[in-house]
Amino acid sequence: SQQGEEDPQALSIQEGENATMNCSYKTSINNLQWYRQNSGRGLVHLILIRSNEREKHSGRLRVTLDTSKKSSSLLITASRAADTASYFCATASGGSNYKLTFGKGTLLTVNP
Amino acid sequence: DTAVSQTPKYLVTQMGNDKSIKCEQNLGHDTMYWYKQDSKKFLKIMFSYNNKELIINETVPNRFSPKSPDKAHLNLHINSLELGDSAVYFCASSQESGGGSPLHFGNGTRLTVT
Repeated sequence: SQQGEEDPQALSIQEGENATMNCSYKTSINNLQWYRQNSGRGLVHLILIRSNEREKHSGRLRVTLDTSKKSSSLLITASRAADTASYFCATASGGSNYKLTFGKGTLLTVNP
Repeated sequence: DTAVSQTPKYLVTQMGNDKSIKCEQNLGHDTMYWYKQDSKKFLKIMFSYNNKELIINETVPNRFSPKSPDKAHLNLHINSLELGDSAVYFCASSQESGGGSPLHFGNGTRLTVT
């Protein structure tokens, strides 16, 4: 069953603006991961945040995790046209029978 | 160097045929996966192997049979293809099976069943 739900489904912004995408999930997790998928390509891992962490940064990316609200957000600052892609959150849970469950993604379009 | 490579990139075939998709990773990872992405971009896990041993088998028709000859390869064979099998199939690998490491994906195989 689907775990993560991204919001919004689609987001269109201008270059230089910030983009925020949200992810909500239902059950307890070991970690939460964000991936990017360019059209016609495979998913690329961006950031992994563990359940005991609240915030992580990587370059222009900032991820927050609120386990009490079962939600995460991905912020891309100073967006570029090359950031145009679909962004997915994925939750890892299940202990020894671990699996990574993906949401349906947010399609981000950055207009030059 | 391509880390996770899968072939073919495109596969067009008729209903009832049998086809295979191959996947190889050169990252030295112990765990490999097959995911299916539908037309709405929903990505769902199908199988996971750790060191050639099946550890996850989601509710997938038994027409789908994964085979792992060694830990660097995970192939997917599909028998009696149906229209609903049309999708993009992604192979992936990770260093661990316990969820603590990210997945590395191939670029996908777009399967079209006519």
